[in-house]
Amino acid sequence: QVQLVESGGGVVQPGRSLRLSCAASGFTFSSYGIHWVRQAPGKGLEWVAVSWYDGSNKYYAESVKGRFTISRDNSKNTLYLQMNTLSADDTAVYYCARAYRTYYFEFWGQGTQVTVSS
Amino acid sequence: QSALTQPPSASGSPGQSVTISCTGTSSDVGGYNYVSWYQQHPGKAPQLMIYEVSKRPSGVPDRFSGSKSGNTASLTVSGLQAEDEADYYCSSYGGSNNHYVFGTGTKVTVL
Repeated sequence: QVQLVESGGGVVQPGRSLRLSCAASGFTFSSYGIHWVRQAPGKGLEWVAVSWYDGSNKYYAESVKGRFTISRDNSKNTLYLQMNTLSADDTAVYYCARAYRTYYFEFWGQGTQVTVSS
Repeated sequence: QSALTQPPSASGSPGQSVTISCTGTSSDVGGYNYVSWYQQHPGKAPQLMIYEVSKRPSGVPDRFSGSKSGNTASLTVSGLQAEDEADYYCSSYGGSNNHYVFGTGTKVTVL
């Protein structure tokens, strides 16, 4: 069955960096776009970034553009999110989600918590 | 890109129907039929309930239906059941810059 497992979250000081991973299994990873979506404590969902199936196209929300980088290693069935210059506003649960027909978030991981605090 | 606007809460008794609105602009909801809806129970990951305005993925009960008129999309849950109590989020493709936007979320309570 389709499975997405996020990892790499934790507590980090403002201004520092963190790299999240999303390990996929149960489907042909290299055939699907994958999104990152985050949810701040008690708040709604916020789209963060997407990588197309082959990594050729990547798009970012304005709130993270220039600070976050999405990448993927199709040989390892893994998606990454490199997060730099973190601030308290980046505190959230980060989910990876497999895209369906590009525009939809079909399967979701259970999320990894990122807390930015001094 | 601003979040789509949803009512903070909605409620209904078991067996009744509840409809949630999702208002955007001509640049997102009104401009494309790429509207989807997600159900999220506390502490859980969201689940896709509706895509392409009104289509249901396999396994989603037909009690869930979607529609759109102009810049506003709607999700209707008919025959409310206790397990429908959850947060619901709409989403739309934002077009320019290949962005995606979510709604502010609606908490549905089954009375």
